[in-house]
Amino acid sequence: KQEVTQIPAALSVPEGENLVLNCSFTDSAIYNLQWFRQDPGKGLTSLLLIQSSQREQTSGRLNASLDKSSGRSTLYIAASQPGDSATYLCAVRYFQGGSEKLVFGKGTKLTVNP
Amino acid sequence: SAVISQKPSRDICQRGTSLTIQCQVDSQVTMMFWYRQQPGQSLTLIATANQGSEATYESGFVIDKFPISRPNLTFSTLTVSNMSPEDSSIYLCSVATRVTDTQYFGPGTRLTVL
Repeated sequence: KQEVTQIPAALSVPEGENLVLNCSFTDSAIYNLQWFRQDPGKGLTSLLLIQSSQREQTSGRLNASLDKSSGRSTLYIAASQPGDSATYLCAVRYFQGGSEKLVFGKGTKLTVNP
Repeated sequence: SAVISQKPSRDICQRGTSLTIQCQVDSQVTMMFWYRQQPGQSLTLIATANQGSEATYESGFVIDKFPISRPNLTFSTLTVSNMSPEDSSIYLCSVATRVTDTQYFGPGTRLTVL
């Protein structure tokens, strides 16, 4: 059974810092990995999608990497801003029990202080 | 991208009653899923909604408790039956067109059971 772990569970940084969020998964036979952002009381916003054949994806100040063989991904946020404060969720898509599934980690709660 | 709407956005229900949540997508999608997010927790997959056939449930979830319909490629319903306070959660509909595609989420239905 696929398990997704995110470290740290919470992170507080001053504005302007660069930071890294970590995600690990136990079964490397994945289709892809997706990073989401969730604001309090709201739904999920997709940030980046990395296919199993890719090493990284970039969008603005965000860069996500994937090392499938070691079961690890990182989300790098450059020059953090208070508006980046949210919970960041990592999820992997894999095949089990006759269907494809997207399995989530528990998230990293990020606070960026002005 | 897909635009997903859910009804209702929130509800407060009495123990022992049932609630049906609707999910509508603005385009035809292959895969539709229902997730639950309990307070302070990450997302857990309830089931995959299959068009024209019975849903595929994850371990710990059963059809009698969470019956699902999917009459076409743009619409699905999830019913939470015989509710108890433990069913208080956010229920999210999610879609994807292909395994390699981004998975999108609806805004969620916040359910409180008294």
